[in-house]
Amino acid sequence: AQKITQTQPGMFVQEKEAVTLDCTYDTSDPSYGLFWYKQPSSGEMIFLIYQGSYDQQNATEGRYSLNFQKARKSANLVISASQLGDSAMYFCAIDDGGATNKLIFGTGTLLAVQP
Amino acid sequence: DGGITQSPKYLFRKEGQNVTLSCEQNLNHDAMYWYRQDPGQGLRLIYYSQIVNDFQKGDIAEGYSVSREKKESFPLTVTSAQKNPTAFYLCASSIMVMGNQPQHFGDGTRLSIL
Repeated sequence: AQKITQTQPGMFVQEKEAVTLDCTYDTSDPSYGLFWYKQPSSGEMIFLIYQGSYDQQNATEGRYSLNFQKARKSANLVISASQLGDSAMYFCAIDDGGATNKLIFGTGTLLAVQP
Repeated sequence: DGGITQSPKYLFRKEGQNVTLSCEQNLNHDAMYWYRQDPGQGLRLIYYSQIVNDFQKGDIAEGYSVSREKKESFPLTVTSAQKNPTAFYLCASSIMVMGNQPQHFGDGTRLSIL
């Protein structure tokens, strides 16, 4: 069974600085996908970035990048030039590697961006 | 605009009462999902459906039921058998193409016990 571990319950970062949110995973499937979602206080889940297990390059989407280290089973999210609007919960998730698209989520990291 | 609509935003349930949460999508997605989120925790899968008239139990299906009569709709019923229903419920949908597709979420329904 898949498992996601996010060891940082909360993080602070100064505005305009970069921050790394940790995510480690466990799976026995050779093919899988890793996802990061942002959840503001309003509650909706916003898809940020995706990394496939066979992708050769780390994924990037604007200020978001994914530091994918397959051997270490880690998929850390890097947010560059933090903005006040980045304050939110961030969840890492893994799919089941099959045809169901089921996602297993971590417990999340609460990021607070300070002015 | 295409998206996922959940209603109501807030819902209150009396003891012993069944309540139904609505989820509608106009993204033409094949798969739909229901998650439960408790305070300070991640999302846990309740039920999912990959095709009309078919659905599968997730990790915490006890006390819940679903139907998928139309591609666009995937309502969730919280039955009286669910003893601790107070939570935030999120509906999602995705394209079913070889997996690895991001799920898109609605804005959620907050359910509380009166």
